[in-house]
Amino acid sequence: GENVEQHPSTLSVQEGDSAVIKCTYSDSASNYFPWYKQELGKGPQLIIDIRSNVGEKKDQRIAVTLNKTAKHFSLHITETQPEDSAVYFCAASIPLLYGNKLVFGAGTILRVKS
Amino acid sequence: GAVVSQHPSRVICKSGTSVKIECRSLDFQATTMFWYRQFPKQSLMLMATSNEGSKATYEQGVEKDKFLINHASLTLSTLTVTSAHPEDSSFYICSARDRGWIGLAGGITDTQYFGPGTRLTVL
Repeated sequence: GENVEQHPSTLSVQEGDSAVIKCTYSDSASNYFPWYKQELGKGPQLIIDIRSNVGEKKDQRIAVTLNKTAKHFSLHITETQPEDSAVYFCAASIPLLYGNKLVFGAGTILRVKS
Repeated sequence: GAVVSQHPSRVICKSGTSVKIECRSLDFQATTMFWYRQFPKQSLMLMATSNEGSKATYEQGVEKDKFLINHASLTLSTLTVTSAHPEDSSFYICSARDRGWIGLAGGITDTQYFGPGTRLTVL
């Protein structure tokens, strides 16, 4: 079955620096790759996603890149702020008969130091 | 848009009782909802896929008689933890899938939006 690996498990950066989180997946049928941000005691919040027909997507300070050949995708956060501190999860889709389900990476704890 | 609610947010119950958790999509219809379980400092583990009007599909290792799922309408799915025990204590999160058309370039979307979660503590 699909396996999603996420690195690093923890990441500390200085405010204003960039943060990069990387994920790899195993199922070549995966075609949808969302990223979620989860704050303590809350549900995950979708921050950006990318589909297999594009290689990069950007939304203000957040960008995601996808390399389908290598089966890896990355989240890039620029000009980090303390409020970016949270746990970030990547996910890859698995096709079902109707739609997809998601397999999640183990998560990355991001700490932005001010 | 794309708001998912869960109720209750927290519940404490005695061992042996049953607990029902509701998941609602507030501004879109969701033919499919998903139920996840999350232990402290761990990732989300999919428990089951809930399809409106049909039986849920459970992941391997998840007891369907223990975790009853009902998806009676396009905006509501419920998870009932039956005869709860302390080991069932966890953070339960639902998500609802919003399917839409984003044009010829993107095709059909398949985005999952998550609820705020329910903290279950079984004494």
